Amino acid sequence: QSVLTQPPSVSAAPGQKVTISCSGSSSDIGNNYVSWYQQLPGTAPKLLIYDNNNRPSGIPDRFSGSKSGTSATLGITGLQTGDEADYYCGTWDSRLSVWVFGGGTKLTVL
Amino acid sequence: QLQLQESGPGLVKPSETLSLTCTVSGDSISSSNYYWGWIRQPPGKGLEWIGSIYYSGNTYYNPSLKSRVTISVDTSKNQFSLKLSSVTAADTAVYYCARVKTGNNWFDPWGQGTLVTVSS
Repeated sequence: QSVLTQPPSVSAAPGQKVTISCSGSSSDIGNNYVSWYQQLPGTAPKLLIYDNNNRPSGIPDRFSGSKSGTSATLGITGLQTGDEADYYCGTWDSRLSVWVFGGGTKLTVL
Repeated sequence: QLQLQESGPGLVKPSETLSLTCTVSGDSISSSNYYWGWIRQPPGKGLEWIGSIYYSGNTYYNPSLKSRVTISVDTSKNQFSLKLSSVTAADTAVYYCARVKTGNNWFDPWGQGTLVTVSS
């Protein structure tokens, strides 16, 4: 069982918008930066969002991140079939002194 | 362009030690702004952080694995390594290495990953 809670799956139609939530506590999300990772089928995870809401170079602005209190959210607009992947949130847990990931959310673009 | 590549045996026997190396190219492993980390993913499951190391040798380990894990760095070869002792079938996973931003702790980039199966 992961420290950070994500919905197992989300789905939406091409062109639509979807959000993926990541819920934690004061010792992890509440006091540390959150990052998000995209894992396309059969590939390594890729950094999508860092420091809560920043996109690395090359990541389209269709992807966005936000954080409020002990929760974080990944937003994806203009969904494309190529966005079908597993998405993971992650942060440092200051109480346990361990990096923690969410359980992952599988995005299906119908 | 920074690249990381994992290498090591794909099959390890139960109770033995898993050993992997990550070779870094395109940047120095001695950069003061980054740690270097290992993450694993059992088949069909999520990600688990194993530990991270600074070029000076300072390490952070996942408490759940700490008794079995050793991460080391070889700056002369621009490599860092993972050893996991007393492995069981539960350690079967794809093992990734990645660069870790100090302080903010995000992982980027990741190696392609290597599958290690624990089986007799």
